[in-house]
Amino acid sequence: AQRVTQPEKLLSVFKGAPVELKCNYSYSGSPELFWYVQYSRQRLQLLLRHISRESIKGFTADLNKGETSFHLKKPFAQEEDSAMYYCALINRGNQGGKLIFGQGTELSVKP
Amino acid sequence: GAGVSQSPRYKVTKRGQDVALRCDPISGHVSLYWYRQALGQGPEFLTYFNYEAQQDKSGLPNDRFSAERPEGSISTLTIQRTEQRDSAMYRCASSTKVGRGNEQYFGPGTRLTVT
Repeated sequence: AQRVTQPEKLLSVFKGAPVELKCNYSYSGSPELFWYVQYSRQRLQLLLRHISRESIKGFTADLNKGETSFHLKKPFAQEEDSAMYYCALINRGNQGGKLIFGQGTELSVKP
Repeated sequence: GAGVSQSPRYKVTKRGQDVALRCDPISGHVSLYWYRQALGQGPEFLTYFNYEAQQDKSGLPNDRFSAERPEGSISTLTIQRTEQRDSAMYRCASSTKVGRGNEQYFGPGTRLTVT
């Protein structure tokens, strides 16, 4: 079964501190992993995907197949990073792009 | 250009009534997805379309839920005989082409409350 687990419902850090949002997944094929973000009063939007291996707004995420993890990291958190973050996967074996989301982690960056 | 739009943004209905939620995808987007999000949870897949064809409806919770996209553009998610457990945020997303891993662009969602 496909599953995404985000163990922390809320993560609170101070501005300038490093942040790591955890994501673990289970799969029966070859997954593609994403991080989506929802800022206050905005719609859900793609932050980054593992195949791009890019850094967006200072965030990076590395796919670790051995640990089945895709943790989101940023070395120095900013107040504007406060938002809901969702980890998601697509099983490449499926037709189409059905996303399977984790429960979400609320990141609060305090001044 | 305009993003994905959904209407209504908020819907309050009495238990037992039918509701229809509308999604207008980004122009030219082939794939359209419906998700449901309960409070404190992540979005959960309901169904999706490529063009007008419903490819996967495995996430629809029961036969009170149905969806259509008759002309391959606007889609309607219909819930018949609503129940309080149907209260949730209903999210629609679209993507440019058929296939896995294409970015999905989300609409603002419809907040459904069943009283």
